[in-house]
Amino acid sequence: SQTIHQWPATLVQPVGSPLSLECTVEGTSNPNLYWYRQAAGRGLQLLFYSVGIGQISSEVPQNLSASRPQDRQFILSSKKLLLSDSGFYLCAWSLTGRYTFGSGTRLTVV
Amino acid sequence: AQSVSQHNHHVILSEAASLELGCNYSYGGTVNLFWYVQYPGQHLQLLLKYFSGDPLVKGIKGFEAEFIKSKFSFNLRKPSVQWSDTAEYFCAVSLYGGSQGNLIFGKGTKLSVKP
Repeated sequence: SQTIHQWPATLVQPVGSPLSLECTVEGTSNPNLYWYRQAAGRGLQLLFYSVGIGQISSEVPQNLSASRPQDRQFILSSKKLLLSDSGFYLCAWSLTGRYTFGSGTRLTVV
Repeated sequence: AQSVSQHNHHVILSEAASLELGCNYSYGGTVNLFWYVQYPGQHLQLLLKYFSGDPLVKGIKGFEAEFIKSKFSFNLRKPSVQWSDTAEYFCAVSLYGGSQGNLIFGKGTKLSVKP
């Protein structure tokens, strides 16, 4: 069966520190992968999506970047976190229009 | 730009009350429509989806939604809510054939059901 793993579940980081959130998918090949962010009081905003290894599209200009070094691995990064990067980050994959979401990472930048 | 509007930020109901959560989208083309639910401390889960066919869609846990194309709406309904329905509900749209089918979400509606 297909599963999606996302870690860590919670993270508190100081302003200016780097970030790396990892997401891996099992049980499927060549899925579309997504990073979403839910900021306080706002909906889920698509940050990045990837249709294949090394292929990243950014939906919103920001302080973050994404990489897909392997077919089933999607990484969200930042070199220097800002306070405004705080939020709930969700990884997701889709195949034939069906989406599956990870459990999310709550990031607090202090 | 395409957008999804959920009209209610927070809805409070008593058990057995009927529920209707509004969702409207702005896009003139063909869309796929979704309702997701996030129970406290849990993953985002698919409640129901509409791709084509009967515009009245039945989902899990007694939820249903009706796609009204002329109104660009996809409202979620449940005749009698339970305390366990307390959660946040998200409406989402994907544009048929566009942007790799990326989901565009509404801001969510928090539902609190009082026992």
